[in-house]
Amino acid sequence: KAGVTQTPRYLIKTRGQQVTLSCSPISGHRSVSWYQQTPGQGLQFLFEYFSETQRNKGNFPGRFSGRQFSNSRSEMNVSTLELGDSALYLCASSTQGISQETQYFGPGTRLLVL
Amino acid sequence: AQSVAQPEDQVNVAEGNPLTVKCTYSVSGNPYLFWYVQYPNRGLQFLLKYITGDNLVKGSYGFEAEFNKSQTSFHLKKPSALVSDSALYFCAVRDVSRTSGTYKYIFGTGTRLKVLA
Repeated sequence: KAGVTQTPRYLIKTRGQQVTLSCSPISGHRSVSWYQQTPGQGLQFLFEYFSETQRNKGNFPGRFSGRQFSNSRSEMNVSTLELGDSALYLCASSTQGISQETQYFGPGTRLLVL
Repeated sequence: AQSVAQPEDQVNVAEGNPLTVKCTYSVSGNPYLFWYVQYPNRGLQFLLKYITGDNLVKGSYGFEAEFNKSQTSFHLKKPSALVSDSALYFCAVRDVSRTSGTYKYIFGTGTRLKVLA
């Protein structure tokens, strides 16, 4: 099976812009979770989508949003970018979700905000 | 709130020697504990998990971890380290909110393992 894929792998934006990141889960996986990884804060959970519904949410401002499509692919959007949003954004998938199972991670999208 | 701590930022070990990467946790109820590894410019790879059962959990690439309830620890171990084991290791716990019933993973800050040839 193909693993979790994320596009793009690298992205450079300027403050105030918005960005959309994409994640394609492993075939058959219905849960997609998003994480932000920074040197200062480590790995932090953003949210989880399952069957097109947001099921779990971390402590991030409303500028961070997401959605999931009927084919389980997920997108994450960050509006009004700030310098502190520079990070590696990881998505992870599983069949039934983070309450039940191991998650499998993609390679990440590295976002640089200038 | 549930949490995990990885007290060592970096661990150095000679190739062929046993390695231990430490993790302690603070949870209410039964813990779901995980270890992940991250290689440069890569996402996290699952190594092993403890949910219930035997305290010694065996995982990928020859790694194992011992769940110790009295010491609230879940240390990662390998009998003989390889240079290729050099990477960033994360311990994680599944957290459940008592108020909302929602789930999330809480990760430790990571431990960089360096295996020296």
